[in-house]
Amino acid sequence: KAGVTQTPRYLIKTRGQQVTLSCSPISGHRSVSWYQQTPGQGLQFLFEYFSETQRNKGNFPGRFSGRQFSNSRSEMNVSTLELGDSALYLCASSSRGHPGTQYFGPGTRLLVL
Amino acid sequence: QKEVEQDPGPLSVPEGAIVSLNCTYSNSAFQYFMWYRQYSRKGPELLMYTYSSGNKEDGRFTAQVDKSSKYISLFIRDSQPSDSATYLCAMSVQDSGTYKYIFGTGTRLKVLA
Repeated sequence: KAGVTQTPRYLIKTRGQQVTLSCSPISGHRSVSWYQQTPGQGLQFLFEYFSETQRNKGNFPGRFSGRQFSNSRSEMNVSTLELGDSALYLCASSSRGHPGTQYFGPGTRLLVL
Repeated sequence: QKEVEQDPGPLSVPEGAIVSLNCTYSNSAFQYFMWYRQYSRKGPELLMYTYSSGNKEDGRFTAQVDKSSKYISLFIRDSQPSDSATYLCAMSVQDSGTYKYIFGTGTRLKVLA
């Protein structure tokens, strides 16, 4: 079974721009979560989607948004980028069969200049 | 107080040593306990997953959960240089129809050849 895939793997943007990241979960997984990982803060939860509905949201500003499509693929958008948004953005999926666990993708490394 | 505490390390051990990695937690409602391994610039990889007190073994890895002490451990036997990575503990609990995941900050492990 293919794992979680994320595109692109690397991005360089400048302040003020916007960015869209994509995540394809493991086949059959309907829950997708997004995390931001930085050396200082560790893994911070952004939001979770299940069946195209946002079920949970972390403490991030409204510049961070997401959506999920009917095939469970998910996108995350960050508008008006700031230097502090430079991070590894991770997507994780989970299944009904193992609801308490998550499987992560390789991440998208975003650098904001 | 953080819900999950994990010593950041770094922890350096010689090849072949037994490694013990630990996390403590404060929320007695946590149901699932996970260990992830994260290599530099990669996404976290799920190593072990358990939901009950006691030990669970998988090859050179043993996960131990002590719910009465709110303490979990990961033991690595016959450690190899390829085990050098950051190890994240994670816990989850069902909350309003979804799962809330809390991650430790990670322990950096270096196994010296």
